[in-house]
Amino acid sequence: DAGITQSPRHKVTETGTPVTLRCHQTENHRYMYWYRQDPGHGLRLIHYSYGVKDTDKGEVSDGYSVSRSKTEDFLLTLESATSSQTSVYFCAISEAGQGSTQQFFGPGTRLTVL
Amino acid sequence: RKEVEQDPGPFNVPEGATVAFNCTYSNSASQSFFWYRQDCRKEPKLLMSVYSSGNEDGRFTAQLNRASQYISLLIRDSKLSDSATYLCVVSRGGGADGLTFGKGTHLIIQP
Repeated sequence: DAGITQSPRHKVTETGTPVTLRCHQTENHRYMYWYRQDPGHGLRLIHYSYGVKDTDKGEVSDGYSVSRSKTEDFLLTLESATSSQTSVYFCAISEAGQGSTQQFFGPGTRLTVL
Repeated sequence: RKEVEQDPGPFNVPEGATVAFNCTYSNSASQSFFWYRQDCRKEPKLLMSVYSSGNEDGRFTAQLNRASQYISLLIRDSKLSDSATYLCVVSRGGGADGLTFGKGTHLIIQP
């Protein structure tokens, strides 16, 4: 299995609080992604990174920000969590972009916003 | 038309049977195609890539029809352990953001 970890694995928080999720990889892959998965919607891309300090928005980026200061770490921040951000969050990595190679997924973080 | 469409199922299939899923995609510029498998409350994992000429991996066969823009997955001699959700995945055809995921087809293999 690809070396991807996510922390925390589970989190319950209250509306309005900031939350940061961490993705850590040991594969030295250039590309990293954050997705959310909700019933009826499948996996939706939040933000992605194509290198250190290089990030861009995905299809559901509102309310989220990301940072990548090192190749191995990609952080997802909810500045002020809302109940609509209750979801399962997956981090993924890939060697190449443009969807030319497979993505490997981390184990996920279950976030509940009360 | 949605980017990647799949029948959500569930498909209830007896053990040992053959089952087939299809998915359609809307982006004619897509170049890469995959089937992922996702077990309940787990992360998606690559099942197989899909090549233009079709490809087989043990009991699994994937086909691509570019003209009609659909992809198929055939599972022969199904096992209880094949019960999962199968995600059809295609590349976006440009840009670093990579892949578009279907919502998945839920398969239940019954003893």
